Amino acid sequence: SAVISQKPSRDICQRGTSLTIQCQVDSQVTMMFWYRQQPGQSLTLIATANQGSEATYESGFVIDKFPISRPNLTFSTLTVSNMSPEDSSIYLCSAQRGAGGTGELFFGEGSRLTVL
Amino acid sequence: GENVEQHPSTLSVQEGDSAVIKCTYSDSASNYFPWYKQELGKRPQLIIDIRSNVGEKKDQRIAVTLNKTAKHFSLHITETQPEDSAVYFCAASRQNTGNQFYFGTGTSLTVIP
Repeated sequence: SAVISQKPSRDICQRGTSLTIQCQVDSQVTMMFWYRQQPGQSLTLIATANQGSEATYESGFVIDKFPISRPNLTFSTLTVSNMSPEDSSIYLCSAQRGAGGTGELFFGEGSRLTVL
Repeated sequence: GENVEQHPSTLSVQEGDSAVIKCTYSDSASNYFPWYKQELGKRPQLIIDIRSNVGEKKDQRIAVTLNKTAKHFSLHITETQPEDSAVYFCAASRQNTGNQFYFGTGTSLTVIP
């Protein structure tokens, strides 16, 4: 298994500000992804965090709003920029280990953001 | 991209009865189908998975079936217990090609003692 640590675990932010969420995995992983989960809703894929290159974003998500970094095989950050109340959600980091990226997808505990 | 639909959205069963949750997917290239259980305030955790070269997989009280032709897969929980109460998510992924995981809308299962 993989242990994924995220911080902050929760935060209350003001409209118009930006917040960076950090994700640390306890060992090298092949794939890292960022998801958003609004209360009582499903997990929506924001982007794939690619090591040493630009993230791959899903439809409806753009780099200017959700810049992502992945400098190495165990660490990634997601920034939520110019926040509005609609960005209030739980943001989950996930990782997959295995040759060619096969196998179980593990999740961090999530970062619960509230935007006022 | 992949579109995963999941039914029902809520399900209540009596303790000891069986529960079935169904999912369909749109991308015929998807080849890996995990199921996750998420308890309130916790992270999603894998409970069972199936790959496209297998039609059925069982692990104690939990089983998953896959019909590639119809592009649907189901989770079966037998002899349900109160601790099975949670939200269950199905997912579909193309392993070795992008590897993104796309999740269904979730099923809130309540097991009534």
